[in-house]
Amino acid sequence: EAGVTQFPSHSVIEKGQTVTLRCDPISGHDNLYWYRRVMGKEIKFLLHFVKESKQDESGMPNNRFLAERTGGTYSTLKVQPAELEDSGVYFCASSQRGGGFSYNEQFFGPGTRLTVL
Amino acid sequence: AQSVSQHNHHVILSEAASLELGCNYSYGGTVNLFWYVQYPGQHLQLLLKYFSGDPLVKGIKGFEAEFIKSKFSFNLRKPSVQWSDTAEYFCAVLNTGFQKLVFGTGTRLLVSP
Repeated sequence: EAGVTQFPSHSVIEKGQTVTLRCDPISGHDNLYWYRRVMGKEIKFLLHFVKESKQDESGMPNNRFLAERTGGTYSTLKVQPAELEDSGVYFCASSQRGGGFSYNEQFFGPGTRLTVL
Repeated sequence: AQSVSQHNHHVILSEAASLELGCNYSYGGTVNLFWYVQYPGQHLQLLLKYFSGDPLVKGIKGFEAEFIKSKFSFNLRKPSVQWSDTAEYFCAVLNTGFQKLVFGTGTRLLVSP
């Protein structure tokens, strides 16, 4: 079974440009999460989709970040315009849908390393 | 808000040495705790988790962790490390109800052969 995949693995852009990151979750996983790790700091939650709906976007830094999950399959995270502080590793994770407060393991992708110059 | 502290940012050990990585969390209610590992060039993967029951949790590759509620701690241990344990280790707590993980800053472990 294929794991969570992310594209691209690395992206180097200049300040002010736009970048779109893509995440393909494990097939059948309704839950999709985005996390970010700025260098030297903790991995921080950005948002959570259940199918195509945003369940929790409390971690999104500002309105320069736009996440979508049309059709409830893959997701994109667009940064427009990119700023220097957006540099970091962006992780995607997916899990099966659980009922109520049950938890299903989150499986992580390899991450996209974004560098904004 | 929940937070997780990992005390050691870098640890260097020789093979066969014992390992203990500290993790403290801030949340006082029911907690679900995790240790994740990221080997060089690989994905984050789950080492072990604690939800309830026996506070001594055994995970993959000989790792274990002990949940001590009174100390708000969930330290990771391994009696004898191997070179292949070189990786970055992350402690995390689940924000129950919101299904999001709150991570510590990570500990880079280097095991010299």
